[in-house]
Amino acid sequence: DAGVIQSPRHEVTEMGQEVTLRCKPISGHDYLFWYRQTMMRGLELLIYFNNNVPIDDSGMPEDRFSAKMPNASFSTLKIQPSEPRDSAVYFCASSAGGGGTQYFGPGTRLLVL
Amino acid sequence: QKEVEQNSGPLSVPEGAIASLNCTYSDRGSQSFFWYRQYSGKSPELIMSIYSNGDKEDGRFTAQLNKASQYVSLLIRDSQPSDSATYLCAVKEGYSTLTFGKGTMLLVSP
Repeated sequence: DAGVIQSPRHEVTEMGQEVTLRCKPISGHDYLFWYRQTMMRGLELLIYFNNNVPIDDSGMPEDRFSAKMPNASFSTLKIQPSEPRDSAVYFCASSAGGGGTQYFGPGTRLLVL
Repeated sequence: QKEVEQNSGPLSVPEGAIASLNCTYSDRGSQSFFWYRQYSGKSPELIMSIYSNGDKEDGRFTAQLNKASQYVSLLIRDSQPSDSATYLCAVKEGYSTLTFGKGTMLLVSP
């Protein structure tokens, strides 16, 4: 298996622009997680899905953030409008079952100028 | 608010020594405990999980859990320069989500 796939790997944008991050989970995994990692706050869970349904979005920092999972093989995390404080590495992870090992994608390094 | 605390380090050890990484957690209901390794610029990868009090060994790695003290540790024997990375402790209660610590940076010098 190719593992969790994320795109783009790097994104540089200007404040106010819309940013869309993409994730393809491991085939057969029914849980998908979006995390954000910064030096100050570490690795934080933003939202997770089970069978394409959002289960807990309490980690989403603001209404500027939204996530969708239209099917079992694709999810997006959108930031609109983006701000410099959104600069971070965004990871997508997937697992087989809620208790299964979470496998992380390579991450998207976002810089908002 | 569930909290997982780790010393940020860096923890520096010479090659061949034992590296000891520690983690404390606040939620007494936590049932599952994990150690992830993250190389610089890479994503976290699971290296150990432990669910019961005591020790669990896997090759050069030993995870230790003490639920009464809310303490989990990772020992790396015969440390190698390739072990230099940030080690993230994570805890889970039941089927809930993982809560991660900020990680401890380990540096193994040749």
